[in-house]
Amino acid sequence: NAGVTQTPKFRVLKTGQSMTLLCAQDMNHEYMYWYRQDPGMGLRLIHYSVGEGTTAKGEVPDGYNVSRLKKQNFLLGLESAAPSQTSVYFCASSYSGLQRGELFFGEGSRLTVL
Amino acid sequence: DQQVKQNSPSLSVQEGRISILNCDYTNSMFDYFLWYKKYPAEGPTFLISISSIKDKNEDGRFTVFLNKSAKHLSLHIVPSQPGDSAVYFCAASDVSGSRLTFGEGTQLTVNP
Repeated sequence: NAGVTQTPKFRVLKTGQSMTLLCAQDMNHEYMYWYRQDPGMGLRLIHYSVGEGTTAKGEVPDGYNVSRLKKQNFLLGLESAAPSQTSVYFCASSYSGLQRGELFFGEGSRLTVL
Repeated sequence: DQQVKQNSPSLSVQEGRISILNCDYTNSMFDYFLWYKKYPAEGPTFLISISSIKDKNEDGRFTVFLNKSAKHLSLHIVPSQPGDSAVYFCAASDVSGSRLTFGEGTQLTVNP
């Protein structure tokens, strides 16, 4: 059982470069999320999706874009990376609203922007 | 502004004793609360949850208490084990149920 899979696990970028993080889940979950974790700040929501073809902004959406073209995939894009985007990124999914199920997280993707 | 706050960045306890992790929230629209545990180099995993219609929920060694009037919840681990050493995140959801707001996390260390 793969659960939630994130690729790549590690990446180093130069300022101004672009990249895409891929999240894939095989649990037929409707809801998917991208969080970033920074020391002393916990997990902060970047963007989320409540179903295929939908996206919504979270707490810290600036500098990121997302797409949910297929139910099982949720892509996070950085168009022009900045050092402030150095972080560990976590993707998560849930069956539906959180009243009925908790989030399942991937293992994380560590991004360093030089 | 931090709507979910864990004021203790770290906590150290002896094996077999009780661990108490605390969490405060400010948003009165939150009505569902969860605790997640995170080991290094892994994603967080769900531990226990509580709805605002309850004041206590128990699952084995883990008990979560909710004090709505104080906007405070706590996680009790009894007895604590070295394998419980991890970062614990408190999280809250409002009635829409579409997103979670997390606290900063508390690093728990259980010493043998």
